[in-house]
Amino acid sequence: EDKVVQSPLSLVVHEGDTVTLNCSYEVTNFRSLLWYKQEKKAPTFLFMLTSSGIEKKSGRLSSILDKKELFSILNITATQTGDSAIYLCAVQEGNYGGSQGNLIFGKGTKLSVKP
Amino acid sequence: KAGVTQTPRYLIKTRGQQVTLSCSPISGHRSVSWYQQTPGQGLQFLFEYFSETQRNKGNFPGRFSGRQFSNSRSEMNVSTLELGDSALYLCASSRLAGANTGELFFGEGSRLTVL
Repeated sequence: EDKVVQSPLSLVVHEGDTVTLNCSYEVTNFRSLLWYKQEKKAPTFLFMLTSSGIEKKSGRLSSILDKKELFSILNITATQTGDSAIYLCAVQEGNYGGSQGNLIFGKGTKLSVKP
Repeated sequence: KAGVTQTPRYLIKTRGQQVTLSCSPISGHRSVSWYQQTPGQGLQFLFEYFSETQRNKGNFPGRFSGRQFSNSRSEMNVSTLELGDSALYLCASSRLAGANTGELFFGEGSRLTVL
């Protein structure tokens, strides 16, 4: 059965700390891995990773994928209270050709950043 | 530009009733996917529509159905509601230009409570 596992499930840090969120997966027909941030209702897109070893970076956030070991990490440096959210990892699977395929989500990591 | 719009935002139903949720994608987006989010199961894929055709379907019973109209707006219907159907139902749209975009834009969701 296809699955995506995130760790830790929750994390409490102080402002300025650096955090690493983990995502491992077992998916039959891998297409890409995506990270989302969910603060209140709508998850917002952070990164899409398709190739191993290529770091994606946006401000204080960065992510990398290892397709051999089947995992990805999301790093957040110099955390701020505004980073408090649930971070979701999802693997997109399925064939190309007029379809987004199926996103398989992990349960998420709840990050709380204390002032 | 306007984001993904879902209506209604909140609704309460009783067991045995049926419900219809609506999703208007971002202008120009032709792919619409539906997800169910619960505390226990996280985000789970329901189905995906593109050009008025269902392209993918998740592991949900036949009580869950959907459709897409020519203007890309989508509806999902749940019949014979059960208590376990209480959840946040999220709609996501994407442009699907090219082989693989992966970036889904989520709506705020419809919070369904079944009593």
